[in-house]
Amino acid sequence: DAGVTQSPTHLIKTRGQQVTLRCSPKSGHDTVSWYQQALGQGPQFIFQYYEEEERQRGNFPDRFSGHQFPNYSSELNVNALLLGDSALYLCASSLGGLITGELFFGEGSRLTVL
Amino acid sequence: EDQVTQSPEALRLQEGESSSLNCSYTVSGLRGLFWYRQDPGKGPEFLFTLYSAGEEKEKERLKATLTKKESFLHITAPKPEDSATYLCAVQASGGADGLTFGKGTHLIIQP
Repeated sequence: DAGVTQSPTHLIKTRGQQVTLRCSPKSGHDTVSWYQQALGQGPQFIFQYYEEEERQRGNFPDRFSGHQFPNYSSELNVNALLLGDSALYLCASSLGGLITGELFFGEGSRLTVL
Repeated sequence: EDQVTQSPEALRLQEGESSSLNCSYTVSGLRGLFWYRQDPGKGPEFLFTLYSAGEEKEKERLKATLTKKESFLHITAPKPEDSATYLCAVQASGGADGLTFGKGTHLIIQP
């Protein structure tokens, strides 16, 4: 049973560039949430996708956008990268768009912005 | 604004030495409180969900409890493999579905 998979695992970008991160949810799950975890901090909620729509959004600027595909996989896009965007980006999956805190997380994509 | 504060930030114990981790929270209506474990370089792993004051959940050497203001994660006779960062998170009723996490407690169990 495949868990949540994310790619790439590590990447380095420079300020002003754009990045796309990808996530495949756990088999049978249809809801994807994205979190940002800075070093030494807890994860911060970016947004959640269900039925190919953004359902909820945390306190992140419009530079952060996403997409969900019909196969439930998802992308996170960040434009005009800032140094402060350096973090571990975590994808979490769940079922049915339900309100649940029982999330299955991937191992994350480590983004470094120089 | 929902807030979660975890203490201590770091805790070093000897193998077999029991202790408790604290999670204090402020939320406009609690839908649920969650405990996760995170190993270095990995994503968080779900441990427990607590919904109402007085509720308790157990799993192996871990036991989570909940009051109206805080939650405790009790670790009984820990082993080195229990070393990890333990994260507490809350979900508010009527607000965004996303979880609000604390910064975590970094636990080290020495053999």
